[in-house]
Amino acid sequence: DTGVSQNPRHKITKRGQNVTFRCDPISEHNRLYWYRQTLGQGPEFLTYFQNEAQLEKSRLLSDRFSAERPKGSFSTLEIQRTEQGDSAMYLCASSLAGQDRVTYNYGYTFGSGTRLTVV
Amino acid sequence: GENVEQHPSTLSVQEGDSAVIKCTYSDSASNYFPWYKQELGKRPQLIIDIRSNVGEKKDQRIAVTLNKTAKHFSLHITETQPEDSAVYFCAASPLGGSNYKLTFGKGTLLTVNP
Repeated sequence: DTGVSQNPRHKITKRGQNVTFRCDPISEHNRLYWYRQTLGQGPEFLTYFQNEAQLEKSRLLSDRFSAERPKGSFSTLEIQRTEQGDSAMYLCASSLAGQDRVTYNYGYTFGSGTRLTVV
Repeated sequence: GENVEQHPSTLSVQEGDSAVIKCTYSDSASNYFPWYKQELGKRPQLIIDIRSNVGEKKDQRIAVTLNKTAKHFSLHITETQPEDSAVYFCAASPLGGSNYKLTFGKGTLLTVNP
């Protein structure tokens, strides 16, 4: 499979519970991004990694959110003490950053997302 | 940080007509502008992109134009078909260095009526 894979596709959890999502990027991609999308809105940036290093975190990413990419391959996004406002689609994307400015594609490849519902 | 505004929020056209979606951005350092198509319940998919050293790019029925001075870019779809119906998102990014983050507009729901 050459796409970005996200698991689970759907997650329903009770308020206050912890949840963890997984993203498997395209294998040769060294950059991995997490975005959140709510109904009627564009994806909002949460954080991104180059290899295993987390290079930027949005202010949207409160201290209840943590993301890891331990070996520079798959990534996990954990939300602790979930709140109803956390209900959204969590999208993962990957891309390849390199030195070839002529031929490589800057575009992201998105996964299908994990839809989180906090009840 | 970057702010991307997208208009209109909804657009309805008849099959065969053209559709135009416009975006403005705020950060003059942005130099990469992709467009994504998202069908209901599916992932956003890149349909076309443009870099700031190019004013226009075309791929079959889809074209994107960029005016860096005015900080706006547009998506043009000609000869629309019902399968073009989807939400379209524009985005902007200041490529280079360590920042490849995309900032997205809020999307345009395009409906193509048969």
